[in-house]
Amino acid sequence: AQSVTQPDIHITVSEGASLELRCNYSYGATPYLFWYVQSPGQGLQLLLKYFSGDTLVQGIKGFEAEFKRSQSSFNLRKPSVHWSDAAEYFCAVGAAGTYKYIFGTGTRLKVLA
Amino acid sequence: NAGVTQTPKFQVLKTGQSMTLQCAQDMNHNSMYWYRQDPGMGLRLIYYSASEGTTDKGEVPNGYNVSRLNKREFSLRLESAAPSQTSVYFCASRTNTEAFFGQGTRLTVV
Repeated sequence: AQSVTQPDIHITVSEGASLELRCNYSYGATPYLFWYVQSPGQGLQLLLKYFSGDTLVQGIKGFEAEFKRSQSSFNLRKPSVHWSDAAEYFCAVGAAGTYKYIFGTGTRLKVLA
Repeated sequence: NAGVTQTPKFQVLKTGQSMTLQCAQDMNHNSMYWYRQDPGMGLRLIYYSASEGTTDKGEVPNGYNVSRLNKREFSLRLESAAPSQTSVYFCASRTNTEAFFGQGTRLTVV
């Protein structure tokens, strides 16, 4: 079955610390992978996406993610977290020729001053 | 740029009442979607429309109907609201490579 797993429901980091949010997927076709961020009371904003090519992709706000096919993972990273990064982060998977995304359940990030 | 606009932003309904959530996009996208977001469950697809004139069920369509009125507009209707439909509803439209989301409608059914 197709699925996306974000194993961490909540993560707390100190401002300036590094961050890694985990995402694992199960998908039959070659996946398109996405990370979205949702600030409180807002819609979802695309951080970055992977379709093919270089497995390390850069996104907005200093985020990057690495696609590892052997591990079926697409983890999101940031070297130094800012207080404004506190939000909920969603991993999603789709594929060419399909109209549906599958979303993970989200990871809520708290940043300590 | 407006992007994806949803109305209303907030709504309280009594059980059994009906209402329609409106969504419009100005990006000329073919595909549009309705999701609901519940704590700990991420976003679940209710219905989608791959193009004007077509609609299809997603994961959780029961209790909902949709209308793709034209290329811009995709509405979601609750015919007889139930407390289980208390949620935040998001409309989205898509290119081949990216989905754009509205700000959401927070619906409470009492």
